Amino acid sequence: QSALTQPASVSGSPGQSITISCTGTSSDVGGYNYVSWYQQHPGKAPKLMIYDVTKRPSGVSNRFSGSKSGNTASLTISGLQAEDEADYYCSSYTSSSTRVFGGGTKLTVL
Amino acid sequence: QVQLVESGGGLVKPGGSLRLSCAASGFTFSDYYMSWIRQAPGKGLEWVSYISNTGSTIYYADSVKGRFTISRDNAKNSLYLQMNSLRAEDTAVYYCARDDYRIDYWGQGTLVTVSS
Repeated sequence: QSALTQPASVSGSPGQSITISCTGTSSDVGGYNYVSWYQQHPGKAPKLMIYDVTKRPSGVSNRFSGSKSGNTASLTISGLQAEDEADYYCSSYTSSSTRVFGGGTKLTVL
Repeated sequence: QVQLVESGGGLVKPGGSLRLSCAASGFTFSDYYMSWIRQAPGKGLEWVSYISNTGSTIYYADSVKGRFTISRDNAKNSLYLQMNSLRAEDTAVYYCARDDYRIDYWGQGTLVTVSS
């Protein structure tokens, strides 16, 4: 049950686009289309932003999009806004029928 | 609207026990898998355990297997986590969460501190 690998931090200026990667194995990210992404502001519970690799829950801005290639999933945020500054976590279903999270990425909006 | 409200957290000595509860409302509780997820202070999210809608299927993270027990009472719309043999590394905010291959709803969390 090793954690998925995410960059510790990414940054971008308002209006720009950024991408956060999430690397796993064929037993989790690469084997299933059950990758999800969460946004967490300090002191708050996480919020679902993307599920099933590419789907957006109702109410989530279309500036957020997800994709996957092989064992790596990605979250892209376009038109970066100050309110997007937060921690982001990926998660995947695994071949052991468990769930695994990434270590988290801190997004800084410059 | 969906609400998940955890309770039962607090300060406990190493080796001690604690039982967390989660009261669910706003959805048909018995239709959904449920999970517990924790977050140590300043650290990332860690999935702890999940239970199927009927309670017949249960999985645990290796870090808690044999020490924690997840259960549910569909008649009471409640989820539980019995934590035994607690260690300092179990110190975290514990979130109750609705699990549908993604966590679409989270509680506000309850803090468990294991310290002498």
